[in-house]
Amino acid sequence: GENVEQHPSTLSVQEGDSAVIKCTYSDSASNYFPWYKQELGKGPQLIIDIRSNVGEKKDQRIAVTLNKTAKHFSLHITETQPEDSAVYFCAAGNTNAGKSTFGDGTTLTVKP
Amino acid sequence: DTEVTQTPKHLVMGMTNKKSLKCEQHMGHRAMYWYKQKAKKPPELMFVYSYEKLSINESVPSRFSPECPNSSLLNLHLHALQPEDSALYLCASSRLGTSGGSTDTQYFGPGTRLTVL
Repeated sequence: GENVEQHPSTLSVQEGDSAVIKCTYSDSASNYFPWYKQELGKGPQLIIDIRSNVGEKKDQRIAVTLNKTAKHFSLHITETQPEDSAVYFCAAGNTNAGKSTFGDGTTLTVKP
Repeated sequence: DTEVTQTPKHLVMGMTNKKSLKCEQHMGHRAMYWYKQKAKKPPELMFVYSYEKLSINESVPSRFSPECPNSSLLNLHLHALQPEDSALYLCASSRLGTSGGSTDTQYFGPGTRLTVL
């Protein structure tokens, strides 16, 4: 089955700095790569996703890059704000299989 | 409406009790999921329903019994649970489509915090 590794497990940045979280996956059949943000006491919320036919996607301060050859994808957050503090999960999935495998999560802390 | 609702928010039960968790969505999604999440861990998939039929069971013990009465509702029946089953139980839903336009975007509910005494 799919195996997803996520790094780092914790990340602390100063407000206004950029944050980068990286994930690798093992199954070359994976074709869907979502990123979720989970705040304390809430369920995960999708913040951005990318499919295997695209190399990069951007939505305001958030961007995701995908390298299919190397089987890794990354989340980039620019101009970080304290409200970006949360746990971020990457996931890799095969839409035909109907499920995704999550990474272990990154706890991001943005210091004001 | 892009909301998945779950009830109750919190549940405390003894090992001999029978209880149920409820999940509801009105986005017309035809796939619904149950996940279990322990503290500081990622969600672990338990069950997937596709078009109201159970399509994936990730070898979950029989003390957890899912049910999908219709396309908007998903239940998880609990019986004879163990203290190690204490966790956040998350429901999610996603739209199913053709292979050309399929999406696995999952919308999660806020979860039910379960404590087994």
